This record gives sequence, C-alpha cells and structure tokens, in this order.
Amino acid sequence: AQKITQTQPGMFVQEKEAVTLDCTYDTSDPSYGLFWYKQPSSGEMIFLIYQGSYDQQNATEGRYSLNFQKARKSANLVISASQLGDSAMYFCARNSGGSNYKLTFGKGTLLTVNP
Amino acid sequence: DAGVIQSPRHEVTEMGQEVTLRCKPISGHNSLFWYRQTMMRGLELLIYFNNNVPIDDSGMPEDRFSAKMPNASFSTLKIQPSEPRDSAVYFCASRPSTGELFFGEGSRLTVL
Repeated sequence: AQKITQTQPGMFVQEKEAVTLDCTYDTSDPSYGLFWYKQPSSGEMIFLIYQGSYDQQNATEGRYSLNFQKARKSANLVISASQLGDSAMYFCARNSGGSNYKLTFGKGTLLTVNP
Repeated sequence: DAGVIQSPRHEVTEMGQEVTLRCKPISGHNSLFWYRQTMMRGLELLIYFNNNVPIDDSGMPEDRFSAKMPNASFSTLKIQPSEPRDSAVYFCASRPSTGELFFGEGSRLTVL
C-alpha cells in the first residue's frame, strides 16, 4: 500500500512562533495531490491547503504554507505565527492519480500551542 | 450553503444490533466517501462512490458492513451485526469533480 508518513506524533510550539509538521509519502503515480487537514478537539475535519504534483510553486494559504520537495517526496506544512487556536491534530493526505480517486491519510500530528 | 450532513451524531448500541449511519452530501458533489477513524488505525477509507456508483469498497472490513447510495443526495453505511471493535467515528465526505474533500461532523459509534 502506498503510505503517508507523519513521523511526529506530537509537537509543541510557543504562541507566535512558526512550526513545521512533517509529511512524506510513497507514490508511483506521475500525477497526484497532497492535502493537509486540521482536526480540532471538536472532531470536525477542516481542509487547510492543497499542493498538486505539477505545481511549480509551493502552495500558500494565509498562515499556512506547504514546503513541497517532490524529489524527496515530502510535503511539510508550515504554520507561521502560531495561535492558541491552532492546537489540533493535523493530517497529511495524498490522492491517487487518475480517475480512481482515493484520499489516503497519515496518522496525524498533535500540535499544542503554548501561551 | 449546507455542508455534509451526517446522522446520528452519536450512537450507542449493544453488540449484535444493526446500526445505520446516514449521510447527505453537498449538493452538486458527485463523489462520496465513507471513512472510519480510530486511535489505533487512524483514518481509513471504507468505500467511495462516484455518481452514486461504488467505485472502490476494498476498505470495507467484512461482510457485516454494507453501503448504499440510492441517489445523489443520500447514502447509508450499515453494520449488521455490530461488534465492540466497530466502535469508532465514521465520517462521510463529499467532493465535486476536483478539489478537496468536504467532511461531515462524523458519527461517533459505541458498541457495548
């Protein structure tokens, strides 16, 4: 099975600092997409950011940016200026290519933002 | 606009009982997904539909699980008979032809 690996079960960051959450993936597809979702303690899944494998530039969305290194098969999420409300589980996911669309998720990283 | 709507939000049942989880996707979305989330296994894709047709059910654990999508606005996930190991949060998600998945708030199932 093609895997998504998030090596950090938990991360701590001070409020207002930046934090990087790691994600590496396996794929044999030439075309694929990478996603990050946030799951706060309330349980809902919130889409944050998307990176296509052919995108020339790293994706950015407000305080979120994606450090995409295609050759290394990594898609790390960078959160700048952390806020207390950023404390949550963060999941990296990859879709398979072609018409057989499936989103496979990593195990997640629990981020805690300290005041 | 309404998001993905799941019901019930919480279900507590006894082993052996039938459980039916329901999902209304976002109007206009042509793909629907059922995921299960547990501490041990994380988020697992159970099944997904495209234009109401099941495309991939390889994640369905066993014959006790079944899913249907009789029309574009409704899907069910049924467990019969339920077992304690089925306790999890079940998410429904939908997607238009491209882009990200939009998740419902989940149905938390506890089987005693």
